[in-house]
Amino acid sequence: DADVTQTPRNRITKTGKRIMLECSQTKGHDRMYWYRQDPGLGLRLIYYSFDVKDINKGEISDGYSVSRQAQAKFSLSLESAIPNQTALYFCATSDSPEETQYFGPGTRLLVL
Amino acid sequence: DAKTTQPPSMDCAEGRAANLPCNHSTISGNEYVYWYRQIHSQGPQYIIHGLKNNETNEMASLIITEDRKSSTLILPHATLRDTAVYYCIVASLYNQGGKLIFGQGTELSVKP
Repeated sequence: DADVTQTPRNRITKTGKRIMLECSQTKGHDRMYWYRQDPGLGLRLIYYSFDVKDINKGEISDGYSVSRQAQAKFSLSLESAIPNQTALYFCATSDSPEETQYFGPGTRLLVL
Repeated sequence: DAKTTQPPSMDCAEGRAANLPCNHSTISGNEYVYWYRQIHSQGPQYIIHGLKNNETNEMASLIITEDRKSSTLILPHATLRDTAVYYCIVASLYNQGGKLIFGQGTELSVKP
């Protein structure tokens, strides 16, 4: 079983709809991250969380919100999806700031 | 954040060493050099990191110049499965809360 899982893997939605992307990890890491990737570009950080009670905005948090339901779960929500949020979304975890980050397989989101 | 400069693309023959350069002339003393790769829209995968000394693991070697202004990732015997985008990231993760800032990377094509 994968250490970091993301659901759904693919999603098509319409402008204005609320959508939630979920991330679960079995690595026991405290730190979790959400990134988005646009075609031909590198990853950009949306939100990150150091533990259940600590959530921080990243570079591009506008239009997104997150929830850290437990150490193992970190969800990303788009309250009212818009087409320019069409992207590949990745969740990642790490054990401490200096350690490597482990990425999930990604969620491909298309907003029509 | 220290910025990095990488060539946009490189080719390598299968079985030969792939040497991927990265310039980071503004790196500060507490910043590490990290390498990740991303194979065809999969989640990024950690390869190696280092501070001053050269590092080697089962995947690759990292050579950092004495002035730390540049580094080279070496894949000693490239295979077709090493075709990917390789990201060089410079970061003091402890001070940045574990955030990785991805640039555009180098697209490595390993050819038979």
